[in-house]
Amino acid sequence: QKEVEQNSGPLSVPEGAIASLNCTYSDRGSQSFFWYRQYSGKSPELIMFIYSNGDKEDGRFTAQLNKASQYVSLLIRDSQPSDSATYLCAVVASSASKIIFGSGTRLSIRP
Amino acid sequence: GAVVSQHPSWVICKSGTSVKIECRSLDFQATTMFWYRQFPKQSLMLMATSNEGSKATYEQGVEKDKFLINHASLTLSTLTVTSAHPEDSSFYICSARATGGVQPQHFGDGTRLSIL
Repeated sequence: QKEVEQNSGPLSVPEGAIASLNCTYSDRGSQSFFWYRQYSGKSPELIMFIYSNGDKEDGRFTAQLNKASQYVSLLIRDSQPSDSATYLCAVVASSASKIIFGSGTRLSIRP
Repeated sequence: GAVVSQHPSWVICKSGTSVKIECRSLDFQATTMFWYRQFPKQSLMLMATSNEGSKATYEQGVEKDKFLINHASLTLSTLTVTSAHPEDSSFYICSARATGGVQPQHFGDGTRLSIL
């Protein structure tokens, strides 16, 4: 079992709809979770972080965390073509020594 | 805030050349920096974790004598690809994490390395 798992996609969503990206992790002691966006040929950029169970909203983005289910998700409302990218879920290991990245979900917003 | 500068952004050189890549945290101190490699359409692969003032920790399968890492200060880490060969051509990305608490990693813009 991978430490951080994501569906590789591609996930195709119509413009204006909600894109839902999911991530599961294996280390039950993990406390910190991050979402990064990576455009093709570019390096990842941090878009959200969440530490507590529940929802955290930032503009069109909502991160959701359920530690009991070891599940973290990212919702993108009113999806735009510019949201087309690979989204990386990242989890800080319980040892806090490093961040473990998922392999990413490729999101495509179709006009 | 949290800007990480990586230089150079693009390198083309002949086989056998050694290439040095710099990673600087511009507005924060980073006890730990990370070096990744990414091949086209593949996920990030962690190569090594660079700790200021101590030896880097390399991931399994990464040759430490091939990829030399120096983290001499809290704002600078360097990766030197020694005697580079075409198979070393890749996108190399550094990231840095600020000291104190649990901090996210912030990435540099990456270095595209092409070995002829």
